[in-house]
Amino acid sequence: KNEVEQSPQNLTAQEGEFITINCSYSVGISALHWLQQHPGGGIVSLFMLSSGKKKHGRLIATINIQEKHSSLHITASHPRDSAVYICAVGKNRDDKIIFGKGTRLHILP
Amino acid sequence: KAGVTQTPRYLIKTRGQQVTLSCSPISGHRSVSWYQQTPGQGLQFLFEYFSETQRNKGNFPGRFSGRQFSNSRSEMNVSTLELGDSALYLCASSFSGGFSYNEQFFGPGTRLTVL
Repeated sequence: KNEVEQSPQNLTAQEGEFITINCSYSVGISALHWLQQHPGGGIVSLFMLSSGKKKHGRLIATINIQEKHSSLHITASHPRDSAVYICAVGKNRDDKIIFGKGTRLHILP
Repeated sequence: KAGVTQTPRYLIKTRGQQVTLSCSPISGHRSVSWYQQTPGQGLQFLFEYFSETQRNKGNFPGRFSGRQFSNSRSEMNVSTLELGDSALYLCASSFSGGFSYNEQFFGPGTRLTVL
């Protein structure tokens, strides 16, 4: 079983819909990152979380340390949000970095 | 401020050769991390350098090595290339902390093809 699991693997939605991507992990962590990767490979860091909730524009990320779970929400989704979203954690035991397999999001106009 | 730059952007090598990839971090950033991305394994952490010292290392064989120079620029080297080394190699820089402490700024990547 992977130490970091994301769901769903693929998601297609209509423009304007509220999007939720989930990340569950099974290890103790120091921090969790949400990354966005567009076709062509470039990766952008969206959030770094160790507790609570963060908001940036239409994006909201939450983390529940006790439940070992994080969510990334996109409000009023837009076709330009189409990308792969990757959850990654830094393990607090040995500082290793583990990535989820990613969620491929496609927003239809 | 210029972003993270990686050279070359594309590279084709044959099995058994070695390759060196370069990463220039954002000015003022002292931490550089390297990652490998393949369709099968996804993103995997290779290593992190800070102040010319390797501070953290993933689970890759010794054929993968790196170094960091006094200006924080970093290189990674892969010796005796195998077909499975074909991948997108990404570097990321941050101000001082590693992955668990600072936001990471990623470069565009070097796409390596091993024939």
